[in-house]
Amino acid sequence: AQTVTQSQPEMSVQEAETVTLSCTYDTSENNYYLFWYKQPPSRQMILVIRQEAYKQQNATENRFSVNFQKAAKSFSLKISDSQLGDTAMYFCAFMKPFWGNTPLVFGKGTRLSVIA
Amino acid sequence: NAGVTQTPKFRILKIGQSMTLQCTQDMNHNYMYWYRQDPGMGLKLIYYSVGAGITDKGEVPNGYNVSRSTTEDFPLRLELAAPSQTSVYFCASSYSRGDEQYFGPGTRLTVT
Repeated sequence: AQTVTQSQPEMSVQEAETVTLSCTYDTSENNYYLFWYKQPPSRQMILVIRQEAYKQQNATENRFSVNFQKAAKSFSLKISDSQLGDTAMYFCAFMKPFWGNTPLVFGKGTRLSVIA
Repeated sequence: NAGVTQTPKFRILKIGQSMTLQCTQDMNHNYMYWYRQDPGMGLKLIYYSVGAGITDKGEVPNGYNVSRSTTEDFPLRLELAAPSQTSVYFCASSYSRGDEQYFGPGTRLTVT
C-alpha cells in the first residue's frame, strides 16, 4: 500500500522568508500524481500545486514550487516570500494512476505558522 | 458557481442514530469522493464514485453507505452511529482521474 510521510508536524517562518515542507512517499508505481493541499483555519481544502510523475519539470504556481525527486520518492514544497495568509495545515497527497480502494492517500500534515 | 456544497455544517448524533450527509456539485464532474478527517490526521477515503450508478469502497468504509443516482449528488449514509465516527467529513469532486479535487466546506459530526 502507498504511504505518504510528512516528517515535520509543525513549522514556523518569518513573513517574507522562504520555507520548505518535506514529503516522502512509498510506491512501486512508475506513473502517479502528487499534490500539495492547504487547509487554513476555515477548514476548506485548497489545492496548492500538482505534479505528474512522468513530467521531469518541477511544478510551480506563483510563490509555490516543488522539488520532485522521483528516485528518492521525495516531493517537497517551497513557499517563497511567505505571507500571513499562508498560515495553514499543508497536506501532501499521492494518487495512483489506476483506481484501487485508495485513489488519494494523504500524509498527516504540517502545520505552518507565518510570523509577522 | 457554487462548486461543492455540503449539508449540514455541524451535527450531533446520539449513539445508534442514523443520518445522511448531503453533497452536491454543480461542475458536472464524474468523480466524487467522501473523506473523513480525524483530529491531527490527514484525510482518509471512505467511498468514491466514478459516475452515476457506480460506487466503490475506499480505505475506511465500515459503518457507511453511499449511493449515486445522479451526477450532481453523492449522499453519505451513517447507520447506527458510533463514537468512532466522530470526525469532520469532506465531500470532493474532480473532472477526471488525477485532476484537482474540489472540496466542500466539511461537516463536523459528533457522536455522543
